[in-house]
Amino acid sequence: QSALTQPRSVSGSPGQSVTISCTGTSSDVGGYNYVSWYQQHPGKAPKLMIYDVSKRPSGVPDRFSGSKSGNTASLTISGLQAEDEADYYCCSYAGSYTLDVVFGGGTKLTVL
Amino acid sequence: QVTLRESGPALVKPTQTLTLTCTFSGFSLSTSGMCVSWIRQPPGKALEWLARIDWDDDKYYSTSLKTRLTISKDTSKNQVVLTMTNMDPVDTATYYCARSTLTGPFDYWGQGTLVTVSS
Repeated sequence: QSALTQPRSVSGSPGQSVTISCTGTSSDVGGYNYVSWYQQHPGKAPKLMIYDVSKRPSGVPDRFSGSKSGNTASLTISGLQAEDEADYYCCSYAGSYTLDVVFGGGTKLTVL
Repeated sequence: QVTLRESGPALVKPTQTLTLTCTFSGFSLSTSGMCVSWIRQPPGKALEWLARIDWDDDKYYSTSLKTRLTISKDTSKNQVVLTMTNMDPVDTATYYCARSTLTGPFDYWGQGTLVTVSS
């Protein structure tokens, strides 16, 4: 299963909004509403930010939102803050007759 | 409070077999719907899902690595074990274990353990 495609990097100034895309196929992103997003700071474990395309776990600010259109999922971060600077990974269920899980290549978010 | 912790060797030689243990607390892998996965991340690179074991002992493996992987659990010890055979330098990575439900996301992660493959 090929990795999902994400931009290598995005950037924005504090207070602005940024959107990170995640493109897959009809066998993964497009086929299931099981897209999740993870934030990873250097040297730390990933942290769940969005699941089931657009749901936020308890404790995640509502500045983080997710959506999907066709084979592309998106993570939008509004009101950028310095602590949002991190790597972001999308993830999708990709099973057909058996389970498979695929991650994106990761996007480095820089807060200018 | 849910916690997971990975343990295993920091260094293995090429062709050797790697055995990693995930010890968890705050949930039971005998609870219906509970699952534990292994995920790895080479230095500076992306995450890669490796394998999952479910509460009912169903097991799933990455298509590209399934011939080298074995996942098992010891419910009484709250542990999940991953073995990976024929290790190669390209397998150098931080290995994470993470909890999920059947179709749910990875909601809790261990801190990760760095495994280096070198002679």
